[in-house]
Amino acid sequence: AQKVTQAQTEISVVEKEDVTLDCVYETRDTTYYLFWYKQPPSGELVFLIRRNSFDEQNEISGRYSWNFQKSTSSFNFTITASQVVDSAVYFCALNWGGGSEKLVFGKGTKLTVNP
Amino acid sequence: GAVVSQHPSWVICKSGTSVKIECRSLDFQATTMFWYRQFPKQSLMLMATSNEGSKATYEQGVEKDKFLINHASLTLSTLTVTSAHPEDSSFYICSARGGPEGYEQYFGPGTRLTVT
Repeated sequence: AQKVTQAQTEISVVEKEDVTLDCVYETRDTTYYLFWYKQPPSGELVFLIRRNSFDEQNEISGRYSWNFQKSTSSFNFTITASQVVDSAVYFCALNWGGGSEKLVFGKGTKLTVNP
Repeated sequence: GAVVSQHPSWVICKSGTSVKIECRSLDFQATTMFWYRQFPKQSLMLMATSNEGSKATYEQGVEKDKFLINHASLTLSTLTVTSAHPEDSSFYICSARGGPEGYEQYFGPGTRLTVT
């Protein structure tokens, strides 16, 4: 079965702190895709990143970075020098191969960045 | 680019009535659209996958007769909640698969349904 676990329900940090959001996934497929989405209070999901199972290179985009480790089935997300505007719920999601287009979401981590 | 809209953004209806929610891909064609449901402080749960010109595929536990999905064109899918009850109150989000690279799912802004 496909499953995504985000063990951190809520995280609260002070502005400029670095914060890492954890994501652990389960799938038997060898081809799969991992995603991170941001959901601000407005509700609209914002796509952050897509990573396929064959690409374990870490990625950095501005203050955001992602660490994909197949050995531990993890796809963690780090925000460096957090800002108040980063406050949102962040979802990790999994889409697996075999023609499936479904996304399975984790339960989300609510990040609050305090000034 | 790759914008998905939903209408209405929020709706309040009385128990027993039906409500239609529209999902449109504004600047790309979407052969596949998805409907999700999100309860407060919870994750998104896929309700159904909608392919243009064919019947929707519903996830286990989702009532087909209650949540009618129509994907009449490459840019429009509709979700009709029939005979709505208070327990149907939720945040409904659609996504459309397509966009510049063809595989991304772009999400609409969501529709908040409250059934009184």
